[in-house]
Amino acid sequence: DTGVSQNPRHKITKRGQNVTFRCDPISEHNRLYWYRQTLGQGPEFLTYFQNEAQLEKSRLLSDRFSAERPKGSFSTLEIQRTEQGDSAMYLCASSWNLGIGRGYTFGSGTRLTVV
Amino acid sequence: SQQGEEDPQALSIQEGENATMNCSYKTSINNLQWYRQNSGRGLVHLILIRSNEREKHSGRLRVTLDTSKKSSSLLITASRAADTASYFCALPTRGGSEKLVFGKGTKLTVNP
Repeated sequence: DTGVSQNPRHKITKRGQNVTFRCDPISEHNRLYWYRQTLGQGPEFLTYFQNEAQLEKSRLLSDRFSAERPKGSFSTLEIQRTEQGDSAMYLCASSWNLGIGRGYTFGSGTRLTVV
Repeated sequence: SQQGEEDPQALSIQEGENATMNCSYKTSINNLQWYRQNSGRGLVHLILIRSNEREKHSGRLRVTLDTSKKSSSLLITASRAADTASYFCALPTRGGSEKLVFGKGTKLTVNP
């Protein structure tokens, strides 16, 4: 396994269009997280899956956002009717139990630009 | 709030010098983690320090934790130009998702 993979790396879309990002976590990790990061800020939590169940969603995740993780493997994050404020880096992470806490591996992110 | 706050926001040093970044937080923690992010890239896990540990080393990195002061520091010794990046402390929430909560980070520039 080469780590967490995110596709595409970059996405430019026109306002109002829908976009979908994909995250392939490390196969042994049962937890998967999505974060959003804007320029000059730290990553902000969006949502979390344990296996295929979406167990927590941030209030940042408006009704235009939806995430899935069918069969507890890869995950997709869809944004409908994109707005310029959605421009950000979207990061995916998977985690494993260290016994002393959890370790997290992040993907390289998908940079979204809404024009 | 669980969020850590890094200080300084930006740091510029010469190659070979040491760089120290600090993180303060407000709630009790099980562990605290430090991450590095090169410009426009994902985050790389550097080190995890448990609440019952006071100091931890990894190569040129030294992390300290003072739970009485609710603060941690990351020291990079003998810095290199390749250390130029943003550094974040992250606190996992207790129970449930154990999601990481990040501060705004310290932007380190190491000049050759």
